[in-house]
Amino acid sequence: AQKVTQAQTEISVVEKEDVTLDCVYETRDTTYYLFWYKQPPSGELVFLIRRNSFDEQNEISGRYSWNFQKSTSSFNFTITASQVVDSAVYFCALSEVQTGANNLFFGTGTRLTVIP
Amino acid sequence: EPEVTQTPSHQVTQMGQEVILRCVPISNHLYFYWYRQILGQKVEFLVSFYNNEISEKSEIFDDQFSVERPDGSNFTLKIRSTKLEDSAMYFCASRTQGSLYEAFFGQGTRLTVV
Repeated sequence: AQKVTQAQTEISVVEKEDVTLDCVYETRDTTYYLFWYKQPPSGELVFLIRRNSFDEQNEISGRYSWNFQKSTSSFNFTITASQVVDSAVYFCALSEVQTGANNLFFGTGTRLTVIP
Repeated sequence: EPEVTQTPSHQVTQMGQEVILRCVPISNHLYFYWYRQILGQKVEFLVSFYNNEISEKSEIFDDQFSVERPDGSNFTLKIRSTKLEDSAMYFCASRTQGSLYEAFFGQGTRLTVV
């Protein structure tokens, strides 16, 4: 069965510090997608990134970067030079291709607080 | 930019009442989803819908729940007889054909059962 673990429940950092959010997943599928979503205090879910299981290349987008390592089943998310606006709950999610419907299985989320 | 729209943003209902949560997915999308998030908890999959029928549903999606696409644009979630534990944020999502594409989420409907 699929599973997404975000062991860090809450993290607090001071503005401008770097922070890494961990995500470990389990799946029997060989083809799957991994996602990160941001949920700010307003409650909506904001898509950040999608990564497929065949693409282990790390990605950088501005202050955000993602490290996908299949060997350790991890898909970690780093925010460089954090800002107060980064304060939110961040969810890692897994989608297995086998079912065809591509439902998302979410982790329990990490609440990030950036202190000014 | 196209977006998924949900109404209402907040609904309060009495226990035992029926509620209908409404969603307008992005117009060229073919797959539709409902997810639920109990306050402070993770987002949980409820049901997926494709080609006018349910393609998959979770254990949460019992006989009290139903979905419908009544007119080709709206996608609704009905809870027949609400319970206190149905209080949650309900998210609608849609995506286009092919597994390459991520689902786009609506802003959510907060349901409070009193």
